[in-house]
Amino acid sequence: RKEVEQDPGPFNVPEGATVAFNCTYSNSASQSFFWYRQDCRKEPKLLMSVYSSGNEDGRFTAQLNRASQYISLLIRDSKLSDSATYLCVVNMYNAGNMLTFGGGTRLMVKP
Amino acid sequence: GAVVSQHPSRVICKSGTSVKIECRSLDFQATTMFWYRQFPKKSLMLMATSNEGSKATYEQGVEKDKFLINHASLTLSTLTVTSAHPEDSSFYICSASHPPKSYGYTFGSGTRLTVV
Repeated sequence: RKEVEQDPGPFNVPEGATVAFNCTYSNSASQSFFWYRQDCRKEPKLLMSVYSSGNEDGRFTAQLNRASQYISLLIRDSKLSDSATYLCVVNMYNAGNMLTFGGGTRLMVKP
Repeated sequence: GAVVSQHPSRVICKSGTSVKIECRSLDFQATTMFWYRQFPKKSLMLMATSNEGSKATYEQGVEKDKFLINHASLTLSTLTVTSAHPEDSSFYICSASHPPKSYGYTFGSGTRLTVV
């Protein structure tokens, strides 16, 4: 079983749609959680951190369920520019403070 | 914000040659940097953790003699792909955390290596 699992997609949605991505992680010792965005042939860029209380940044909402070891990302009012691969990332400080990446979910927003 | 500079961004080399990739933290000190590789349509895979002033820690299956890592200062880590082969062609990315153990990590812009 992979440590961080995501549906690879692709998710093809029209502009203005709401889309949700899910991610599960296997190690209950995981302490920090993030969503990164990666455009084709570019480096990943931090989209947002994920907190237990849930957090929102504009059209993006992230939620964490520690009991179920589940993370989600909701994108409202999708824009063409949201087309990218979204990476679920987990940090376990007791594992050398390294990040573990999910395989990514590809989103394609169409006109 | 924290910036990590990586270069070269793209390199093409012949089989058997060595290639050095540099990763610099521009406005902060990074005692630890991470090196990843990414194949097309795949996720990032951690290769090694680079520790300033000590030996790098390699992930299982990564040959330390092939992927030489040097972290001689608090702002520079280098990855040298020795005796490169076509199967080493990949996207290599470094990252560092700032501040340490907090928030996410900042990534370099990546190096696309093509071995011909």
